[in-house]
Amino acid sequence: DVKVTQSSRYLVKRTGEKVFLECVQDMDHENMFWYRQDPGLGLRLIYFSYDVKMKEKGDIPEGYSVSREKKERFSLILESASTNQTSMYLCASSFLGDGELFFGEGSRLTVL
Amino acid sequence: QKEVEQNSGPLSVPEGAIASLNCTYSDRGSQSFFWYRQYSGKSPELIMFIYSNGDKEDGRFTAQLNKASQYVSLLIRDSQPSDSATYLCAVYQAGTALIFGKGTTLSVSS
Repeated sequence: DVKVTQSSRYLVKRTGEKVFLECVQDMDHENMFWYRQDPGLGLRLIYFSYDVKMKEKGDIPEGYSVSREKKERFSLILESASTNQTSMYLCASSFLGDGELFFGEGSRLTVL
Repeated sequence: QKEVEQNSGPLSVPEGAIASLNCTYSDRGSQSFFWYRQYSGKSPELIMFIYSNGDKEDGRFTAQLNKASQYVSLLIRDSQPSDSATYLCAVYQAGTALIFGKGTTLSVSS
């Protein structure tokens, strides 16, 4: 079974802090994605990556950056956390760009 | 801005009935279409995907695609209380990633 592991299920951070959300997949998938999910707004794409060291902006990249130094790991970085970044963050991977997404369990971030 | 639209619901059906979930998308270049199910507090999981116009059946689930009308639907036959969840429609266009609708909440009463 594909396993996508997000390092933290729950985080509480202060405004202005730098936040790292880590995601690791164990199926040698080329493609990895970061979404955030908010009530009434659904799943929104932040960034995605089709290869190591490659990244593409999604629909809401402002305030975020990503890093993909190794194929299995895709990190989401909040350089200076703000309260409007309080959300559920979901990492996903896929073998094909248009294929099935496998999601991690999510990281619920609260910024105070 | 590519858009995927779904009625938020809730859609309420009695046990054993057919649940019909609908989705429209704005980009005619969209190539593949997915339905995900998300239980409360859980991550989305894939139910079905469809690439070609017409129907695709898998057990109690049928996905329907009409590219001319830019319309995708999911039918759930013999609905069960365990089908109560939020159903997410997702659309893929080459060069991007899956774009999700906001989801439709389905409630199946016993």
